[in-house]
Amino acid sequence: AQSVTQLDSQVPVFEEAPVELRCNYSSSVSVYLFWYVQYPNQGLQLLLKYLSGSTLVKGINGFEAEFNKSQTSFHLRKPSVHISDTAEYFCAVSEKETSGSRLTFGEGTQLTVNP
Amino acid sequence: EAQVTQNPRYLITVTGKKLTVTCSQNMNHEYMSWYRQDPGLGLRQIYYSMNVEVTDKGDVPEGYKVSRKEKRNFPLILESPSPNQTSLYFCASSLLGGGTGELFFGEGSRLTVL
Repeated sequence: AQSVTQLDSQVPVFEEAPVELRCNYSSSVSVYLFWYVQYPNQGLQLLLKYLSGSTLVKGINGFEAEFNKSQTSFHLRKPSVHISDTAEYFCAVSEKETSGSRLTFGEGTQLTVNP
Repeated sequence: EAQVTQNPRYLITVTGKKLTVTCSQNMNHEYMSWYRQDPGLGLRQIYYSMNVEVTDKGDVPEGYKVSRKEKRNFPLILESPSPNQTSLYFCASSLLGGGTGELFFGEGSRLTVL
């Protein structure tokens, strides 16, 4: 069974600074990987996803993530954050063999961007 | 507008009083799923449905029931709620299935069981 660990529960940064939110996964088979964002009092929305192909994935709002199979990681990065990026971010994984049914989420990382 | 609609958004109830949280999507998605979100635990899947009349357990199904009689609706039923079911619940749907396609989430239903 797959699992996801987000290594930081809270990440405070200043506006215009770069940020990296770390995500490691565990699975014995090939995986699909996702990052979702949750703004206050809202549901989650997809930031980006890795299904196959290039290991560097670009998403909405200037975010990108890199799939590293050897390190089983899928870290999320943004070179310069804005106040509006303050939100909770969730990494998620599904196994290709069971695709279509089981998406496992990490515990979440609260990103707080300060002026 | 494409959306997933949950009702109620907020509910306070008492132990043992049956309740249903409705979920409806207007995107003709085949896949629907329920999650609960608890602090420090992220989202955990309760039940999912690959299509009409096809449902299966997720990671935390105990104390919950679901049904999928129509493609657009996927209600979550708590037959006898208990305080440990106090949580924030999300319904989600997807065209391609939860593992490969983008999940569209409702705005959440915050349930308190006293």
